[in-house]
Amino acid sequence: SQELEQSPQSLIVQEGKNLTINCTSSKTLYGLYWYKQKYGEGLIFLMMLQKGGEEKSHEKITAKLDEKKQQSSLHITASQPSHAGIYLCGADNNNDMRFGAGTRLTVKP
Amino acid sequence: EAGVTQFPSHSVIEKGQTVTLRCDPISGHDNLYWYRRVMGKEIKFLLHFVKESKQDESGMPNNRFLAERTGGTYSTLKVQPAELEDSGVYFCASSLVGGAPLHFGNGTRLTVT
Repeated sequence: SQELEQSPQSLIVQEGKNLTINCTSSKTLYGLYWYKQKYGEGLIFLMMLQKGGEEKSHEKITAKLDEKKQQSSLHITASQPSHAGIYLCGADNNNDMRFGAGTRLTVKP
Repeated sequence: EAGVTQFPSHSVIEKGQTVTLRCDPISGHDNLYWYRRVMGKEIKFLLHFVKESKQDESGMPNNRFLAERTGGTYSTLKVQPAELEDSGVYFCASSLVGGAPLHFGNGTRLTVT
């Protein structure tokens, strides 16, 4: 089955700093999803990437999928306290979804 | 439109008791998924319904877990009898078609003491 590894496991940054979260797959990614979870809430869909080399942005968050479609990165520019939470990458696996372990992001004001 | 709703939001039960979790997907979503996040670990897939049929239940940990989706609408996940290691947050998600972005509920936090 698909194995997804996320790094780092946790991240503490000062407000205003940039950061990157990585997601590496053991198999070719045919659909890579980024979700964000805040404590007590469900997972919020951020972005979906499907094509090698694809890059998408939403507000200050940019996600990329490498050409080989085995690694994705999520980059946050000028982080804010509202960006704090757990970021998870998920991958399609025969129409099911598999997730990485998540990256816990803390943004210090 | 109403999102995915899960009930209860929290449940505290004793070992050996039974608990039933409910998930109401977004109306019209044929695909319904159950996931579980055990404290400190990744979210793990439990099973996938397409309408009322179990498409994939490979993630169900053992026969103490029973999921149903009668009529292809809401789904229930029953744990009987509950064990300590069943504690965690149970998420439900739905999608219109397979592979589409999932819409998640807020989860049910289950604590087995």
